[in-house]
Parts: sequence; structure tokens; C-alpha cells
Amino acid sequence: AQSVAQPEDQVNVAEGNPLTVKCTYSVSGNPYLFWYVQYPNRGLQFLLKYITGDNLVKGSYGFEAEFNKSQTSFHLKKPSALVSDSALYFCAVRDYGQNFVFGPGTRLSVLP
Amino acid sequence: DTEVTQTPKHLVMGMTNKKSLKCEQHMGHRAMYWYKQKAKKPPELMFVYSYEKLSINESVPSRFSPECPNSSLLNLHLHALQPEDSALYLCASSQGTSGGSSYEQYFGPGTRLTVT
Repeated sequence: AQSVAQPEDQVNVAEGNPLTVKCTYSVSGNPYLFWYVQYPNRGLQFLLKYITGDNLVKGSYGFEAEFNKSQTSFHLKKPSALVSDSALYFCAVRDYGQNFVFGPGTRLSVLP
Repeated sequence: DTEVTQTPKHLVMGMTNKKSLKCEQHMGHRAMYWYKQKAKKPPELMFVYSYEKLSINESVPSRFSPECPNSSLLNLHLHALQPEDSALYLCASSQGTSGGSSYEQYFGPGTRLTVT
């Protein structure tokens, strides 16, 4: 069965510094990997996805993610964090014929 | 347009009430989903409709009853709910659910449900 882990419940970073939100996955076949962001009392917003090809995926709002097959990881990154990036971030995986499985979420706080 | 709309935004209901949540999308997507989300937790899948047919029911209690009148609309009928059913109910849609699909899901803003 597929699963997703986000090892950090909370990530704190100063505004202007680079940020990383970690995600590792376990699937039986080739993974489709996704990142979503959720602001308070809102639905989830799609940021980016990895399907195949280049291991570095660029997405919305300046976010990017790096796929590493050997480490089964798909970490979300941004070169310079903004206070407005503070939110709850979910990594999700989908393998062949299955629906989304979400990780537990990581709360990102960007401090001014 | 990547918008999924949900009504109402907030709903308070008693345990004997009957109410419905509504979801609509106009992106031509053929798959629609209902999720339940508790505070600070990931969404939990409840139902999946693919081409207007219920394809997955994740063993949800019968007090939740989904309906897909057409490819753009999704309803969730609620009856005799329990206080533990209080949560954010999210609707989502995607282009499809076929095996190997890489389609992302687009989420609505959710309905905040409180059962008293």
C-alpha cells in the first residue's frame, strides 16, 4: 500500500531565508507526487506535481520540489520565504489505479 | 477557470436534521470527490464519482449519502449526524481517475459543519 510521511510537524524559517518542507513516500510502482497548501479555513490549493522527467519541478508562487528516487523523497523548496507562505502543507502520492493519499501535513511558519 | 464552489460555507445542524452540501465545477472534469477533514489533519476520502458513477465508497456511515446529478454537480446528503461528524467537508474534482492518471485534484473552499 502507498503511504506518505512528512517527518516534521512544524517548520520555522525567517523571512527571506530558503525553506524546505520534507516528504518521503512508499509506493509499489512509479509514483505521481503532489504538493498542496492550505490556508486557515480554506480548501487545498495545488502547488506542483511530479509525473516523470526532470527531477526538479517548478510550481506556483515560486515553489519547487526535488524528486529523489533513491531516497524516495519529494521535498518542497523555495529560495526566499515570505510571511504569506505561512500555512499547512500536504504532500500526496498516487500510484497506478489508486486515489490520493495525503501525508499528515507540515505547518510552516515564516517569521518576519 | 480552476474553481470549485461549495455551498454553504458554514452549517450548524442538530442530530435529527436533514441537510445537504452542494459542490459545483465547470472545468469539464469527470471525477468528483468528497473529503472530510478534521482540524490540523489531512483530508480523508469519503466518496469518489467517476463519470457520474460512484466508484469508491471508503466505508462511510450511511448517514452520509452522496449524489451526482450530472458531471458538474455533487451533493452530500446528511441525516442523523453525530457530534463527531463536525468537520470541514471538502469537495474536489479532477480530469479523471483512470489507472495511472497523473491528474491533480482541485479543491473547493469547504463547508464547515457543526453538529450540535
